[in-house]
Amino acid sequence: DAGITQSPRHKVTETGTPVTLRCHQTENHRYMYWYRQDPGHGLRLIHYSYGVKDTDKGEVSDGYSVSRSKTEDFLLTLESATSSQTSVYFCAIQQGGTYEQYFGPGTRLTVT
Amino acid sequence: GNSVTQMEGPVTLSEEAFLTINCTYTATGYPSLFWYVQYPGEGLQLLLKATKADDKGSNKGFEATYRKETTSFHLEKGSVQVSDSAVYFCALILSGNTGKLIFGQGTTLQVKP
Repeated sequence: DAGITQSPRHKVTETGTPVTLRCHQTENHRYMYWYRQDPGHGLRLIHYSYGVKDTDKGEVSDGYSVSRSKTEDFLLTLESATSSQTSVYFCAIQQGGTYEQYFGPGTRLTVT
Repeated sequence: GNSVTQMEGPVTLSEEAFLTINCTYTATGYPSLFWYVQYPGEGLQLLLKATKADDKGSNKGFEATYRKETTSFHLEKGSVQVSDSAVYFCALILSGNTGKLIFGQGTTLQVKP
């Protein structure tokens, strides 16, 4: 257990509304990641962070923004949700000194 | 570009059968390779890893060998159980690449009693 929690676990929202997903970790890991999981695509990296206020884009970053004002929290924001952003979102941390990543339980987001 | 390809699923086996899930990769440089497992309704769990050619990762009866010559990292288990039913993901990371995992599409394994 890498001490990762995600909130909310489930959310249904309407097209055009803003949505923020939260990832919280308790073990002071430097690197944090947001992925989305869709059938037939595996997991794809949205954004990642390598420290407080240090973030960068991943493979599928369009329509998403992130913030990290504290080591323990990494927020993912959908500024104006679209149906194509219906997905399961996973947060992960990287174990220091290795390339091992550990995942949170996921947030299932449905945009109607 | 860098990518991971897994065999199409679902794979359906009887309990105690031998399991192989194929994984091949394309990478510039020398990646580290991983297998993750996702049980229904849960997040991904790291199953095993290998960081250089000819390394064998193993965990919970699962094994995979890093084959540089065939760019493969096939997952094997000698005798599967119903509890092994899950989705299995092969993934790679390039060294010095800030930990950007690249995943295959996943292979669903169903084990029947």
